[in-house]
Amino acid sequence: DTAVSQTPKYLVTQMGNDKSIKCEQNLGHDTMYWYKQDSKKFLKIMFSYNNKELIINETVPNRFSPKSPDKAHLNLHINSLELGDSAVYFCASSQWAGGSSYEQYFGPGTRLTVT
Amino acid sequence: DAKTTQPPSMDCAEGRAANLPCNHSTISGNEYVYWYRQIHSQGPQYIIHGLKNNETNEMASLIITEDRKSSTLILPHATLRDTAVYYCIVRSDYNNNDMRFGAGTRLTVKP
Repeated sequence: DTAVSQTPKYLVTQMGNDKSIKCEQNLGHDTMYWYKQDSKKFLKIMFSYNNKELIINETVPNRFSPKSPDKAHLNLHINSLELGDSAVYFCASSQWAGGSSYEQYFGPGTRLTVT
Repeated sequence: DAKTTQPPSMDCAEGRAANLPCNHSTISGNEYVYWYRQIHSQGPQYIIHGLKNNETNEMASLIITEDRKSSTLILPHATLRDTAVYYCIVRSDYNNNDMRFGAGTRLTVKP
């Protein structure tokens, strides 16, 4: 009955490879997010999807592409991986209604290591 | 960039109240104060949020000053499992996505 789940939990890959991280939420939320937490532990938002539409792209390289097949899923595809992409990636979801603020629920994270 | 200032670390004795301060002197009228925590590299966990009034739930209490320029998160009876990094975030009511994490406060609860 996990609310927000991510797969895989750990991902080790070589530079130049293409990889995907999957996220699913069973909370019925209509907004999903991807965050990156680097080695200094700063947590930064990367993308947000509301009803399958991208509504934030915080200066993320275009090697990163979020894909949302439906509002319960937001996958993160990364092309041509670089050493600097090594980080923990968190998926989150929330309900959104214009003019109202709702808390975000986070997944357990995916630790990506690029060698 | 984060709009809040928090002490980098605090200690608290187990069973005592933990009071975590946050300064948000540039907060605007439509911005809420949110608190999240992150326990040892797990995903951040929502704790509480408020606009003007003090708030309480099963996890914590949030005290917001009258001028809204600062707030305090109170964990009434801290346990060892409350050891975590606590983030104070101000966020607009009209922009659900504008949640920017700062460095937070690393709270260590000691036996």
